[in-house]
Amino acid sequence: GAVVSQHPSRVICKSGTSVKIECRSLDFQATTMFWYRQFPKQSLMLMATSNEGSKATYEQGVEKDKFLINHASLTLSTLTVTSAHPEDSSFYICSAENNEQFFGPGTRLTVL
Amino acid sequence: AQTVTQSQPEMSVQEAETVTLSCTYDTSESDYYLFWYKQPPSRQMILVIRQEAYKQQNATENRFSVNFQKAAKSFSLKISDSQLGDAAMYFCAYRRGNTGTASKLTFGTGTRLQVTL
Repeated sequence: GAVVSQHPSRVICKSGTSVKIECRSLDFQATTMFWYRQFPKQSLMLMATSNEGSKATYEQGVEKDKFLINHASLTLSTLTVTSAHPEDSSFYICSAENNEQFFGPGTRLTVL
Repeated sequence: AQTVTQSQPEMSVQEAETVTLSCTYDTSESDYYLFWYKQPPSRQMILVIRQEAYKQQNATENRFSVNFQKAAKSFSLKISDSQLGDAAMYFCAYRRGNTGTASKLTFGTGTRLQVTL
């Protein structure tokens, strides 16, 4: 149990476009999900905490208008990178809380 | 703010041998959890072991065990009988104790473990 999926696993987009990443808890309900960003050979940096039915809580330095988070149901949170630029290229990982955090497999975003 | 420090960017161990990965943390909280996560080349984060701060007994999961020194704020991971599949990035992480709501994880910078034949 406690499986978290992410879709897509990889995405390549042009600069200026928006990209949506989905995070789903497959076999449990999660009122809280977390979004992380990981640059190559670095640690996970928390971007925001996604709360079902309410606004996300963003970490300092993360632009909430650029990284839109929606947690519309107990099993789905989405992260939309708006007007993506090459510097947004990274590995994005979500996790869902069920007594502990269970991580999705990640999404590699490449912005050309 | 809580901080987690892993002072070993890379470690190497021979197959079947034992290796210890270091982690220190700083917090003013008395109730918290500590974790070791493994991130293999697939980049899927896998929970290796978890320790509740209020428990004096060190956590153990098969070949993985921790040395939790609360006063020293140290939380090292020992891997016994190392296997090729143990090669990965290992992250130490901290989380505040029961707050009634989910609490975020603070990660260390990671230690890359190589396992050699």
